[in-house]
Amino acid sequence: QVQLQESGPGLVEPSQTLSLTCTVSGGDISSGNYYWSWIRQPAGRGLEWIGRFHTDGSTNSNPSLKSRVTISVDTSRDQFSLRLTSVTAADTALYFCARGNPVSSGRYFFDAWGQGTQVTVSS
Amino acid sequence: EIVMTQSPATLSVSPGESATLSCRASQSVSSYLAWYQQKPGQPPRLLLHGASTRATGIPARFSGSGSGTEFTLTISSLQSEDFAVYYCHQYYDWLTFGGGTKVEIK
Repeated sequence: QVQLQESGPGLVEPSQTLSLTCTVSGGDISSGNYYWSWIRQPAGRGLEWIGRFHTDGSTNSNPSLKSRVTISVDTSRDQFSLRLTSVTAADTALYFCARGNPVSSGRYFFDAWGQGTQVTVSS
Repeated sequence: EIVMTQSPATLSVSPGESATLSCRASQSVSSYLAWYQQKPGQPPRLLLHGASTRATGIPARFSGSGSGTEFTLTISSLQSEDFAVYYCHQYYDWLTFGGGTKVEIK
C-alpha cells in the first residue's frame, strides 16, 4: 500500500521560498499512470490544488499560483518536491501531497494522501 | 474556474439518522465528482469517485448520486465515526473543491 510523507521547514519568512518534499513508499513514483500532487488547506478552510507531476514527465499547476510554483521529481529517491516563491501570510496552510488516480487523461481523484505538514509564513 | 458550492455548511444529525449533503457545480462536471471525509488532524479520505462509486473499504452506508451540476452524498444510519467534514471535488476541468459540510452530533 502506497504511503506519502511530507517534509520541510515549518516556518518561512515573507518574500522567501517555501520548499517541501514528498517521499513515496510502497510504490515506484515513476511507474503507473499517476498524478503526484500538492494540495494545501489554510486553517479552518477548504482545499486548494497547487500542482502536480505526472509519470509521463509533465508538470502543471493551478493558474492562480502558476508563476510562483515549481514542481520537480527525483525518481531515484521516489520523491517529488514543491517550491513556492515570494510567499506571504496568505500562503500559511497545511500542505498535503497526494496521489492522483486518473480516469482519463488529466482527470483524476486523490486516493492516497500524506498526513500533511504545517507551513507558517512569518518573520 | 469551476466553483463548487456545498450546502449546508453545518448539518446537525443524531446518531442512527441519515444525512444528505449537497454539492453544486457552477457548470457541468459530468460525473467527474469525488467526495472526501476529513477528521481533525487527519488528511482527507476518499469516499466516492465518479459521483457514485465507493472507494475501496468504504461502507455501503455512504452513497452518492447526481451528474452535471447537482450532486448528493447520503450517509445512512450515521455512526459515531462519521461525524466529520465532507468535501466534494470536481476533476472535470482542472481541480477544485467545495468549501465543505461539517456533520456534527445533534
